[in-house]
Amino acid sequence: SQQGEEDPQALSIQEGENATMNCSYKTSINNLQWYRQNSGRGLVHLILIRSNEREKHSGRLRVTLDTSKKSSSLLITASRAADTASYFCATDPGAGNNRKLIWGLGTSLAVNP
Amino acid sequence: ETGVTQSPTHLIKTRGQQVTLRCSSQSGHNTVSWYQQALGQGPQFIFQYYREEENGRGNFPPRFSGLQFPNYSSELNVNALELDDSALYLCASSPGTGSTYEQYFGPGTRLTVT
Repeated sequence: SQQGEEDPQALSIQEGENATMNCSYKTSINNLQWYRQNSGRGLVHLILIRSNEREKHSGRLRVTLDTSKKSSSLLITASRAADTASYFCATDPGAGNNRKLIWGLGTSLAVNP
Repeated sequence: ETGVTQSPTHLIKTRGQQVTLRCSSQSGHNTVSWYQQALGQGPQFIFQYYREEENGRGNFPPRFSGLQFPNYSSELNVNALELDDSALYLCASSPGTGSTYEQYFGPGTRLTVT
């Protein structure tokens, strides 16, 4: 079953613009992670935010977490053509989750040069 | 440092057959997780192996089984293949079992069942 739901499903922007994608989830979590996937290949870990954190930065990436709304956002600033990929959020629901991360359906981002 | 590798890259099988997919974990990583990703979907957790023992399993039937070897490489075996098993199979290695450990993914094996 999918826990995270990314929004929008697809996003097309021009190089240099900012891209924002959102993730909503249903249960309480220990942490939430964002991953990038290029052309149906392997995933690359971008950033992890713990349930007691509200905001985290990594280079051009900014992630926020609102546990009261069970939602997270990923902001990519000054986008580049190389950022074109699918972006997934994955949540760790915590104790008793049988070690599994629960993934959303992803947002497909196209950055046009 | 060698990254996570998977073999084969692509595979075509017939319904009812059996398949074995292989994964070599990154150096120093003792944990391997396997995922199934259908087209247009997010990954679904199949199971995790830690030090040669299964350490958590998702909602997959017993015909999905695995192994981890002393060098921490891993195999995913699927028996009695069904059409719905067609997907990208991803393995990920990490230096520990907790979700806070970053997972390093291989490029995947694309399985087509006809």
